[in-house]
Order: sequence, then structure tokens, then C-alpha cells
Amino acid sequence: QKEVEQNSGPLSVPEGAIASLNCTYSDRGSQSFFWYRQYSGKSPELIMFIYSNGDKEDGRFTAQLNKASQYVSLLIRDSQPSDSATYLCAVLNQAGTALIFGKGTTLSVSS
Amino acid sequence: DVKVTQSSRYLVKRTGEKVFLECVQDMDHENMFWYRQDPGLGLRLIYFSYDVKMKEKGDIPEGYSVSREKKERFSLILESASTNQTSMYLCASSSFETGEVQPQHFGDGTRLSIL
Repeated sequence: QKEVEQNSGPLSVPEGAIASLNCTYSDRGSQSFFWYRQYSGKSPELIMFIYSNGDKEDGRFTAQLNKASQYVSLLIRDSQPSDSATYLCAVLNQAGTALIFGKGTTLSVSS
Repeated sequence: DVKVTQSSRYLVKRTGEKVFLECVQDMDHENMFWYRQDPGLGLRLIYFSYDVKMKEKGDIPEGYSVSREKKERFSLILESASTNQTSMYLCASSSFETGEVQPQHFGDGTRLSIL
């Protein structure tokens, strides 16, 4: 069974700090990786996806991918209380047919 | 923007009932998915479909079936509802483009309670 692992948290950071969320995956053949944000009681919403090694930036968010280490991370700069949510890491399986989700990391940003 | 619409936000049914959850997407996406989400277990894939009348089992298909008669609509059916099927059910869709990454977009979810 292919797995995606995330620290459940909660991860607590002060407003304005950098939040670092990490994810490891077991399927070495995985090619595409996604970060979703889920507010309590709401459905997941896509933040970013990445499929090349290195960094990808979008506003305050940076996704980092290291396929050799089977590791993907999400950095949130200048964290805001509105960033408080659960962040889900998802990996597309080798067949490209389905996403495998981690159980999510809960982020709490205090003002 | 992609719009994935689930027919009910909250639903309460009784054990043994046949339950239908409906999902409609308006972006002409080929791929549609049904997940359930439970505390501590995360999102788990029940069934998915890549074309009309086509279906594939996900990780936890037992006790469920699906129907895709039209491209925009994907239905999840609980054949005989049981209390362990009380959960949040999420529908998602994505397009299929060769060589490009196509993320899944989720509906608002249906919180189903089986009494």
C-alpha cells in the first residue's frame, strides 16, 4: 500500500512567521504532488501543485520537491491567522489514476 | 472556475436504506471521484470514473456502488446503509490532458449520518 506521511501537528506559529509543512511519500515512481488547504467543516481547496524537483513559488506559498529523498514541503511566508487550517499533501500514483492523500497537518497561526 | 456541486450538504438516513449521493460538475471533466473523510483516517478513495459508464474501485469500495450515465454526473450509492458509513463524503473532478498535471477540484461535501 502506497503511503503519504504527514505530521498531524498541531503546528503553531506566530503571525508573520514562516510555517513549514512537510510530507514524505513511499512510491518512488510518483511524479505529481499537490497541496490542499481545508478549513474546518469545509472541503479541500487546491493551493499548489509541483512535479519538478526544486522550488515553485506562488505568492506567500512555496512548494519544494526532492524526489531523491521522496520529500515535498510547503512553506507559508508571513503567516496570517487566516492560514489556520489543515493542510493535505497528495501524491498522484504511478498509474496517474488517483491521488493518495496524507492525513493532514493542522496549522495554527496566533495573532 | 471549476464548479463541483453535491446535491445535499447534510443528510440523515436510517440503517438499511438505499442512499443516493449526487455530484455534478460543469467543466466537462473526464475524471470524477468519490471520497469519504473520517477523523484520524484522512481522505479515502471509494470509486472513480474516467468516462461515461466506466468505473474503477478505489481503496474502500465495499458497501458502495456508483453510476455515471452522463459525463457531468457521478452518483454514489449506498446499497444498504449502515452506521459505519456515517461520514463526510466528498466528490471531486479533474480533466485529462496528456502530459499535463490536472489537479482535482472538490465539491462542498455531504455530511451523511446513518441512524
